Amino acid sequence: DTGVSQDPRHKITKRGQNVTFRCDPISEHNRLYWYRQTLGQGPEFLTYFQNEAQLEKSRLLSDRFSAERPKGSFSTLEIQRTEQGDSAMYLCASSRPEYNEQFFGPGTRLTVL
Amino acid sequence: GENVEQHPSTLSVQEGDSAVIKCTYSDSASNYFPWYKQELGKRPQLIIDIRSNVGEKKDQRIAVTLNKTAKHFSLHITETQPEDSAVYFCAASIDRDDKIIFGKGTRLHILP
Repeated sequence: DTGVSQDPRHKITKRGQNVTFRCDPISEHNRLYWYRQTLGQGPEFLTYFQNEAQLEKSRLLSDRFSAERPKGSFSTLEIQRTEQGDSAMYLCASSRPEYNEQFFGPGTRLTVL
Repeated sequence: GENVEQHPSTLSVQEGDSAVIKCTYSDSASNYFPWYKQELGKRPQLIIDIRSNVGEKKDQRIAVTLNKTAKHFSLHITETQPEDSAVYFCAASIDRDDKIIFGKGTRLHILP
């Protein structure tokens, strides 16, 4: 499968725990994006990378959230001290710079109890 | 920042009829307008997009129109089929920023 992959697909955690998600973009896509989608809403932009550089962070990304893309390939999104309001689908997308089209992964559904 | 408004939130059309979804955006610097389809439990998938130097684009039963002056853009689906039932998102992006700002979505129901 040459599409964007995300792991895990589902995560259930207790409030206050830390969680980490991984995204593997399409190879040769040097741009990688993280979005969050809650029920009945459109995806909301969180942050994006060009290669290993994090170019923009949304104000939605509180200091409990951190994202990395250390080698410019896969990326991780960590949420510390999870809250019930963090429950959502976390989507990753990737693109090539000469094309705007972003290809989405299947998402990681986070449930915080 | 950019804000994208989309309506209606829900749309039901008889199979074979046309469906129209309308969006507005706020940032005049936006110049790329993709439309995504999301089926239940699936990832969003791009179905068509349009750039600001084009007023209309068509791909088989799907067409998009863009009015940059009014900051309006629309999705038209003709001869609707059951498999068109899904949530559709309009979105806007500024090339240099690349992040996509999505509307809240339109749930389209195709009635038999």
